[in-house]
Amino acid sequence: DAKTTQPTSMDCAEGRAANLPCNHSTISGNEYVYWYRQIHSQGPQYIIHGLKNNETNEMASLIITEDRKSSTLILPHATLRDTAVYYCIVRDPNFNKFYFGSGTKLNVKP
Amino acid sequence: NAGVTQNPKFQVLKTGQSMTLQCAQDMNHNSMYWYRQDPGMGLRLIYYSASEGTTDKGEVPNGYNVSRLNKREFSLRLESAAPSQTSVYFCASSEVSLIYEQFFGPGTRLTVL
Repeated sequence: DAKTTQPTSMDCAEGRAANLPCNHSTISGNEYVYWYRQIHSQGPQYIIHGLKNNETNEMASLIITEDRKSSTLILPHATLRDTAVYYCIVRDPNFNKFYFGSGTKLNVKP
Repeated sequence: NAGVTQNPKFQVLKTGQSMTLQCAQDMNHNSMYWYRQDPGMGLRLIYYSASEGTTDKGEVPNGYNVSRLNKREFSLRLESAAPSQTSVYFCASSEVSLIYEQFFGPGTRLTVL
């Protein structure tokens, strides 16, 4: 599986958009980009995933660059409850498993 | 639906003791996973089971064994616990689909003295 690189931590003001970057420069053509988050010490929670096109759901938007070497997770209006560790994961659909990195600790401040 | 359940929630062992961590899911998923998470770190895959009757090693399988008892249950066994196995253990399940979302349990916090 391709490796990902994320900043260790980021701050965001409550109500503002949070933009979390991820670098996956060795991604292969058939590998998907997934985002999960982990609040406190709970189990991780799925947010969104994509292959080539930008994706949006009720939680977030995922912007993938045209060369697919990086992506950005966007939380449009961050709340205090969005404070969590966010993991960017690249998955080969031929393999039935994920490899989590260290993630980005997002601190949403009042 | 309870989703993914894990037992116990907390456990303290002495070095050399053995124990089994239990995991069950009620979503009829084929695939199940065991991860460990050390303080300040991301999750690392220990073992996974793509379907009933199959198991495969992940990143950090040494010191662990697993059993896919049936489609619902996937257990993780520590035969001789070591302090390096002090961690939070998460079980997860998923269905192989276009979304491939993994659902996680609440975790088992294990301390080995």
